Amino acid sequence: AQKVTQAQTEISVVEKEDVTLDCVYETRDTTYYLFWYKQPPSGELVFLIRRNSFDEQNEISGRYSWNFQKSTSSFNFTITASQVVDSAVYFCALSEGPNDYKLSFGAGTTVTVRA
Amino acid sequence: ETGVTQSPTHLIKTRGQQVTLRCSSQSGHNTVSWYQQALGQGPQFIFQYYREEENGRGNFPPRFSGLQFPNYSSELNVNALELDDSALYLCASSQTGTFNTGELFFGEGSRLTVL
Repeated sequence: AQKVTQAQTEISVVEKEDVTLDCVYETRDTTYYLFWYKQPPSGELVFLIRRNSFDEQNEISGRYSWNFQKSTSSFNFTITASQVVDSAVYFCALSEGPNDYKLSFGAGTTVTVRA
Repeated sequence: ETGVTQSPTHLIKTRGQQVTLRCSSQSGHNTVSWYQQALGQGPQFIFQYYREEENGRGNFPPRFSGLQFPNYSSELNVNALELDDSALYLCASSQTGTFNTGELFFGEGSRLTVL
């Protein structure tokens, strides 16, 4: 069975602070994919990143960065110099294969960035 | 915008009724997945359709059913509505095959309230 745990329910920061969202996953598969999605108040989930289980390189995209560590089954997400527009619910998710869109989502972390 | 459109955006039903939700996938996408998101929780996978056939199902009873049409649009039908069916129903389209990137494109959802 797959399971994704996002231990932080809510995080509140002041603009320009860095914020790190934790994600811990469980799977018996050796091949799997990890995702992060952002859900603004409008409701649609916005894709941020997909990482496969064989690629442990950290990734940076603008103010976003991801730290994937198989040894601790974690896939953490950091927003650097947060902005008010980053306020949203962020979900970590897991799937078993490239054509398997049965994503198992965590419960989400609500990020509030105050001006 | 993702190009995935869902209708209706909001609806209210009473217990025992039936509901049909509709989704138009992004142009060029051949796979549609449906997710249920209860308030304050992460989305839960309902099922996926590929080439008009159900291609994977989550832990949902048979009263949740779906269709995919030749133009890849899709419907989610729920019979004998229960109070716990109140949720945001999200449709996601993707491309299964050579050009697969593993990204799901979500619509803004249909919010169903069951009274």
